[in-house]
Amino acid sequence: GAVVSQHPSRVICKSGTSVKIECRSLDFQATTMFWYRQFPKQSLMLMATSNEGSKATYEQGVEKDKFLINHASLTLSTLTVTSAHPEDSSFYICSPPGVELNTEAFFGQGTRLTVV
Amino acid sequence: QKEVEQNSGPLSVPEGAIASLNCTYSDRGSQSFFWYRQYSGKSPELIMSIYSNGDKEDGRFTAQLNKASQYVSLLIRDSQPSDSATYLCAVNRSGKLIFGQGTELSVKP
Repeated sequence: GAVVSQHPSRVICKSGTSVKIECRSLDFQATTMFWYRQFPKQSLMLMATSNEGSKATYEQGVEKDKFLINHASLTLSTLTVTSAHPEDSSFYICSPPGVELNTEAFFGQGTRLTVV
Repeated sequence: QKEVEQNSGPLSVPEGAIASLNCTYSDRGSQSFFWYRQYSGKSPELIMSIYSNGDKEDGRFTAQLNKASQYVSLLIRDSQPSDSATYLCAVNRSGKLIFGQGTELSVKP
């Protein structure tokens, strides 16, 4: 299956700073990438979809100026949490869409962000 | 109403028993359904996918889909302590996965 590498796996940052999370597709080219967020004991919530060569599309209620998403190449998508606050502390996961509409999705390893 | 609903649990079963996990969804047009297992602090991993009404078996796991009732379930036979995790039901909506909140399963030795 498709291999996705996400980095870093864990990061602690001070309130007000920015954090960049990278998601790399290792054995395939990804024109899109889904970014999810998961708070403790809650489900994965889709935040946005990055699109290679065009702007990301954000789900309702997600601040695009706070969560900057860039799809720099067919193998790299990044999520930058700007001016992070403690309420942004969460588990962030990337995932490419299925090759076909009805195939399984694969996930990056996830990034545990803690803002202090 | 949430698009995908699961009982949060925890569901506790003894080792060797059958664990039954349930999920309902609201979009009648949904075609693809998935069960994921998620250990604490880890990303979800796919267990089963199901697209047609009826049962689909894979080892100790059986997924059941009833589109008329908008219901999908996962049965785990001969439950093991290593099956203790959160199980997420997901529905494909226009290429995006919509997840339920997950059911926490605890298998007691």
